[in-house]
Amino acid sequence: DAGVTQSPTHLIKTRGQHVTLRCSPISGHKSVSWYQQVLGQGPQFIFQYYEKEERGRGNFPDRFSARQFPNYSSELNVNALLLGDSALYLCASSFQGNYGYTFGSGTRLTVV
Amino acid sequence: DQQVKQNSPSLSVQEGRISILNCDYTNSMFDYFLWYKKYPAEGPTFLISISSIKDKNEDGRFTVFLNKSAKHLSLHIVPSQPGDSAVYFCAASPPPMYSGGGADGLTFGKGTHLIIQP
Repeated sequence: DAGVTQSPTHLIKTRGQHVTLRCSPISGHKSVSWYQQVLGQGPQFIFQYYEKEERGRGNFPDRFSARQFPNYSSELNVNALLLGDSALYLCASSFQGNYGYTFGSGTRLTVV
Repeated sequence: DQQVKQNSPSLSVQEGRISILNCDYTNSMFDYFLWYKKYPAEGPTFLISISSIKDKNEDGRFTVFLNKSAKHLSLHIVPSQPGDSAVYFCAASPPPMYSGGGADGLTFGKGTHLIIQP
């Protein structure tokens, strides 16, 4: 069975640009969450979606947005990139909420 | 303000001995706790969890203990094996606000790098 897949695995962007990260959940999982992990820190919650509705948002600026599609896949968008947005972005899926998360391997974003 | 704290950035343990990883939390609303293991270039992998109605949960070599009055939990690995070398994250969740999931996601600690010495 395929796990949580994220694309791309790595990318480099310039300050001020926009980026879109993609996530495909495990088949049957209806909840997708996004986390940002900066070097030396634990993952920090950005968004949670369930059945295509936003169910939670962490303490991130409005430059960060996300959506979930009818097939439960999800996109994370970040506008006006800053150097501080350089991080590993993790997507996690679950059948329901915070329990039984499975994480993808992440997208390593570098902003230069 | 860190709501989940792992005060040991690293821990070195001899193979075959017990590894004990500690975690403290400050938010009394947390009612579900999880431990994740992370290798470099991979996402975190779920290890074991515990609900606030329990004080112990075991799964093979892994046991998690919860002391609610002290707001403290610990992960015990017995016996420790070389493959256990990884970063371990403690995470906590409040009760879900919706039937499909909570509004606040998981709150993670900074992690403890466990090194198993041969």
